[in-house]
Amino acid sequence: EPEVTQTPSHQVTQMGQEVILRCVPISNHLYFYWYRQILGQKVEFLVSFYNNEISEKSEIFDDQFSVERPDGSNFTLKIRSTKLEDSAMYFCASSEALGGSGGLNNEPFFGPGTRLTVL
Amino acid sequence: LAKTTQPISMDSYEGQEVNITCSHNNIATNDYITWYQQFPSQGPRFIIQGYKTKVTNEVASLFIPADRKSSTLSLPRVSLSDTAVYYCLVGRITGTASKLTFGTGTRLQVTL
Repeated sequence: EPEVTQTPSHQVTQMGQEVILRCVPISNHLYFYWYRQILGQKVEFLVSFYNNEISEKSEIFDDQFSVERPDGSNFTLKIRSTKLEDSAMYFCASSEALGGSGGLNNEPFFGPGTRLTVL
Repeated sequence: LAKTTQPISMDSYEGQEVNITCSHNNIATNDYITWYQQFPSQGPRFIIQGYKTKVTNEVASLFIPADRKSSTLSLPRVSLSDTAVYYCLVGRITGTASKLTFGTGTRLQVTL
């Protein structure tokens, strides 16, 4: 079964450092997402990406965050200068189409996540 | 997006049917309902999605009444491995994105 993969599984960094979280979406998927989950809290939407540009972003996704699809397979989330409150599990997701039309592949498939710890 | 309300937790015995009801009173005409499952330290996993009436797949059934203000996820004959958090979400297509807003979910504990 195809799956979304994410690396690294755990990233520890010092406050103020830049981090890049990497994701390989499912190969025929066109829509890409980043979500995060602070320990014990809800999963929160960060950003969606389609056709090489951001299609929507939340208020969390400020100027410190950026996303990129540098080649045909990877999708990255960069945090320019990490803060303590950026510590969370970051999930990448992808979908073949947009949700709501009943097909399994229309809903985002989530990766296993990268646990980011900012010290 | 419509706010969802679901039980914080539920307990069940293995082999029983579990029904988790979610309310979404302010659901809009174009919104759809989707359910995800999440195990500890893993990403959410899609279970089922629907717009109205009943949807069934190999894992679960989803019942949505005509007014669409609530939905019920039905898990037949749960096993210990179904212990997880179940999220009811209202999805909306916004331009070129399917934005999902997660709530706090229902923590289902299945025991022998």
